[in-house]
Amino acid sequence: QKEVEQDPGPLSVPEGAIVSLNCTYSNSAFQYFMWYRQYSRKGPELLMYTYSSGNKEDGRFTAQVDKSSKYISLFIRDSQPSDSATYLCAMSWSGAGNMLTFGGGTRLMVKP
Amino acid sequence: NAGVTQTPKFRILKIGQSMTLQCTQDMNHNYMYWYRQDPGMGLKLIYYSVGAGITDKGEVPNGYNVSRSTTEDFPLRLELAAPSQTSVYFCASTVAREETQYFGPGTRLLVL
Repeated sequence: QKEVEQDPGPLSVPEGAIVSLNCTYSNSAFQYFMWYRQYSRKGPELLMYTYSSGNKEDGRFTAQVDKSSKYISLFIRDSQPSDSATYLCAMSWSGAGNMLTFGGGTRLMVKP
Repeated sequence: NAGVTQTPKFRILKIGQSMTLQCTQDMNHNYMYWYRQDPGMGLKLIYYSVGAGITDKGEVPNGYNVSRSTTEDFPLRLELAAPSQTSVYFCASTVAREETQYFGPGTRLLVL
């Protein structure tokens, strides 16, 4: 069993849809949770960063962490074609700058 | 600032050949990381460094070596290339454990 599980997709949605991306994990020591966006043939870039359980909102993006269920989510509202990318969840027990454990990534396609 | 730069962008190696993947950052970050990304597998940590002269193994270090003689540079060395090392390699850096990791654009390596 992988330490962090993520549905690979692809997930195809029409422009304007609400997108839900999810990861489950097995290591209860993880305290820091991140979502990275990766465009084709580019390096990952940090999208959202949360500590412990709860919600965090940034514009059209909302990250949710449920540590009791070992489940994290990223919601994208009013999705745009420019959101088409692979979304990677990542986790750490001691900060975003420390060793990260990544999910396999979900490929998202937003169609005009 | 250029951020994190990696060279080369793409390389084909024959089995048994050696090469060095270069990584340079101009943000004066102490922490630097090397990851490999295989399709659908997320990123896995190869080696990391917390400062010049200090390196340590990550999750998948076999077949690789690193050195860190300066704050700016963190080269990754493949001594005897094997087909299993075909992957995309990303270098990342951060100023502190609590802060965001910034990724380079990646090096695509094909071992035939």
